[in-house]
Amino acid sequence: QSALTQPASVSGSPGQSITISCTGTSSDVGKYNSVSWYQQHPGKAPKLMIYDVTDRPSGVSDRFSGSKSGNTASLTISGLQAEDEADYYCTSYTSSSTRVFGGGTKLTVL
Amino acid sequence: QLQLQESGPGLVKPSETLSLTCTVSGGSISSSSYYWGWIRQPPGKGLEWIGSIYYSGSTYYNPSLKSRVTISVDTSKNQFSLKLSSVTAADTAVYYCAREEARAFDIWGQGTMVTVSS
Repeated sequence: QSALTQPASVSGSPGQSITISCTGTSSDVGKYNSVSWYQQHPGKAPKLMIYDVTDRPSGVSDRFSGSKSGNTASLTISGLQAEDEADYYCTSYTSSSTRVFGGGTKLTVL
Repeated sequence: QLQLQESGPGLVKPSETLSLTCTVSGGSISSSSYYWGWIRQPPGKGLEWIGSIYYSGSTYYNPSLKSRVTISVDTSKNQFSLKLSSVTAADTAVYYCAREEARAFDIWGQGTMVTVSS
């Protein structure tokens, strides 16, 4: 299985909004509403930010939102803050009952 | 609250078998609502799903690792384990265990670094 495709890096200024894309195929992202997003700060374990494409776990800021169109899912962070600077990963369930991660996106807050 | 903790050798020789255990505390591994997964991250690189197991023992593996991976569960000890055979330097990584609910990894262990070197 091939990794989902994410941009290597994105950046934005405090207060702005940014969007990270996650492109898969009709066998994973396009077929299932089982896309989740993770935030990872250096040296830390990943943290679940979005599951089932659009849902936020309890305690996650509503500045984080998810969406999907066709084979591409997206994570949007609004009102960018310095603490949002981190690596972000998407993952999807697949038609083979496996899970596949994206390559990761480094978010820089300018 | 539920916590996961990885344990095992931090150094493994090439061609040998990497063995790690994840101990679940604060909840039961036998819950029908969850899978339990292993994910790894080579230094400076991204996350890679290794495989997931249900408390009944049914497993799903990354096709690229399937020939070398075995994941098992011990409900009496509230643990699940990873074995990766014939390791090479490419298997050097931080290994995480995580709880999987509704196909999302919602609770993670802190991770354990495993280096493959002679």
